Amino acid sequence: EAGVAQSPRYKIIEKRQSVAFWCNPISGHATLYWYQQILGQGPKLLIQFQNNGVVDDSQLPKDRFSAERLKGVDSTLKIQPAKLEDSAVYLCASSLGTANTEAFFGQGTRLTVV
Amino acid sequence: GEDVEQSLFLSVREGDSSVINCTYTDSSSTYLYWYKQEPGAGLQLLTYIFSNMDMKQDQRLTVLLNKKDKHLSLRIADTQTGDSAIYFCAGTDYGGSQGNLIFGKGTKLSVKP
Repeated sequence: EAGVAQSPRYKIIEKRQSVAFWCNPISGHATLYWYQQILGQGPKLLIQFQNNGVVDDSQLPKDRFSAERLKGVDSTLKIQPAKLEDSAVYLCASSLGTANTEAFFGQGTRLTVV
Repeated sequence: GEDVEQSLFLSVREGDSSVINCTYTDSSSTYLYWYKQEPGAGLQLLTYIFSNMDMKQDQRLTVLLNKKDKHLSLRIADTQTGDSAIYFCAGTDYGGSQGNLIFGKGTKLSVKP
């Protein structure tokens, strides 16, 4: 079974530029999550989708971050404009349902803002 | 909401047992999880325990849950160098009604040969 795919693996941008990350969840998984993991910390949920609807985006900085999951499969996370403090690993995860009994994580995209 | 605390570092010798500890604040977490993260990799679910259980064993892994003290531990028997990684404890926050994982900061396990 293919895992959660994310791209790119690494990205370096200057502050105030924009960037987008892509995630392809495991086939058939209805729930998709984006997490932000700052160096030395645990992952923090940014947004959760159930199919193509947003379930929880309470911790998403909406002035600069946006995410969509058109057609309820792939998802993109965008940052515009980026700040230095956005440097982190962005992890995508998916699960069959919402009970979180097993969320599968991708390898992440490491973003460096300089 | 849920808050999860872990010690940051643990160093053991190969063949010894490792015990990684975690405390949480919200007793409403239905499940409590242990994830493993190797360098440059995503998180891998190691095991989870349902909140009405006290113990769960899975091969070399033993999870102990003390609900009264809100304390969770992960014991790795016969620790190997391949077990070197960061281990995250996670609870579930139902504030958003769907159950989002709330992670601790992670415990870095170093296994010396």
